[in-house]
Amino acid sequence: EVHLVQSGPEVKKPGESLKISCKASEYNFETYWIGWVRQMPGRDLEWMGIIYPRDSDTRYSPSFRGQVTISADKSINTVYLQWSSLKASDTAMYFCARQSGRALYDSFDSWGQGTLLTVSS
Amino acid sequence: EIVMTQSPATLSVSPGESVTLSCRASQTVGTTLAWYQQRPGQAPRLLISAASTRATTIPPRFSGSGSGTEFTLTISNLQSEDLAVYYCQQYYSWPCTFGRGTKLEI
Repeated sequence: EVHLVQSGPEVKKPGESLKISCKASEYNFETYWIGWVRQMPGRDLEWMGIIYPRDSDTRYSPSFRGQVTISADKSINTVYLQWSSLKASDTAMYFCARQSGRALYDSFDSWGQGTLLTVSS
Repeated sequence: EIVMTQSPATLSVSPGESVTLSCRASQTVGTTLAWYQQRPGQAPRLLISAASTRATTIPPRFSGSGSGTEFTLTISNLQSEDLAVYYCQQYYSWPCTFGRGTKLEI
């Protein structure tokens, strides 16, 4: 069974930087795209971007390009989502999720438990 | 960007009933359409991919249909554990986009 385990909740101040993680196990980490999905308070799910760990090929939604950085460390089967300067509007739950197949875009068949980020002064 | 519109936003149902949720795409997505269930306090869970293929361990009372721009998710014999928000997602084109969800109230 695929496992995606995310880092714990974070409380940060505006302007601070942050990197959250998603550690994968029980499958060939390098050959499946992994993505990040934002869920702000309320309910909408927003597709942020995906990364292919084998070569770190990364695709961002236009809404998130330049706002976050997605990276991967295949030596430890971990994907990251990073901010250089947080804003209050970044407050949300962030999920990592593995794409089902090897296609560039696909459904997400396994999800992490979510990382709650609160940004407040 | 393809806009996914789900209806209704909220649906009140009773155990044992059947219900059909709708999802419409602003342009054709073929059958590259997934449905997810998100129970309160949990991560989303894949129910259906390729418009009609049930994910592993999903019971047959969940069924998906449609192609092009119109899709439906039917849940038969509703159980209390089906109380959740259901999202559709297109993965036909970048960026992949989700609908705003339909909340089932039991």
